Amino acid sequence: EPEVTQTPSHQVTQMGQEVILRCVPISNHLYFYWYRQILGQKVEFLVSFYNNEISEKSEIFDDQFSVERPDGSNFTLKIRSTKLEDSAMYFCASRPQGAPGANVLTFGAGSRLTVL
Amino acid sequence: KQEVTQIPAALSVPEGENLVLNCSFTDSAIYNLQWFRQDPGKGLTSLLLIQSSQREQTSGRLNASLDKSSGRSTLYIAASQPGDSATYLCALDTGRRALTFGSGTRLQVQP
Repeated sequence: EPEVTQTPSHQVTQMGQEVILRCVPISNHLYFYWYRQILGQKVEFLVSFYNNEISEKSEIFDDQFSVERPDGSNFTLKIRSTKLEDSAMYFCASRPQGAPGANVLTFGAGSRLTVL
Repeated sequence: KQEVTQIPAALSVPEGENLVLNCSFTDSAIYNLQWFRQDPGKGLTSLLLIQSSQREQTSGRLNASLDKSSGRSTLYIAASQPGDSATYLCALDTGRRALTFGSGTRLQVQP
């Protein structure tokens, strides 16, 4: 069964460092997402991406965050200068083209980011 | 703003019991509702998706219902097994490309 693949599974970084989290969505999917889950809290939407541009972002997704699809397969989330409160599990998700709500979102296993 | 609430927050049952997890939401203008399973430290596995025009969906021992007018969904698990132990999340798609998640119900099925 097709999967969304995320790397790294766990990254530890110092406060102020840049971090790039990588995702390989399912190959025929066209919509890509990043969500995060701080330990013990709800899964929160960060950003959605379609047709090589951001289609929606939450208030969490400030200037410290950026997303990119550098080639035909990868989808990345960059945090420019990490803060302690960025420590969380970051999930990538994708879905195929179709009417809104018509398709199941497929999530990756997540990348755990620990900022020290 | 859509608010999603899940009750109970945690549930412990003996193996074999049938159980119901509840999800309530404040805005009935939804495209669909999804139930996910999350194992500790792991990703989210989609269990069932109910379109806004549907009343229920079934997959194996799982049955999910949707009542938009009352802002409620339930996930029914029949004949629970220890392998069902996980956190169950409901999430709403309002068609704005982002899911709104509840805080989940942590289920423990005792052998």
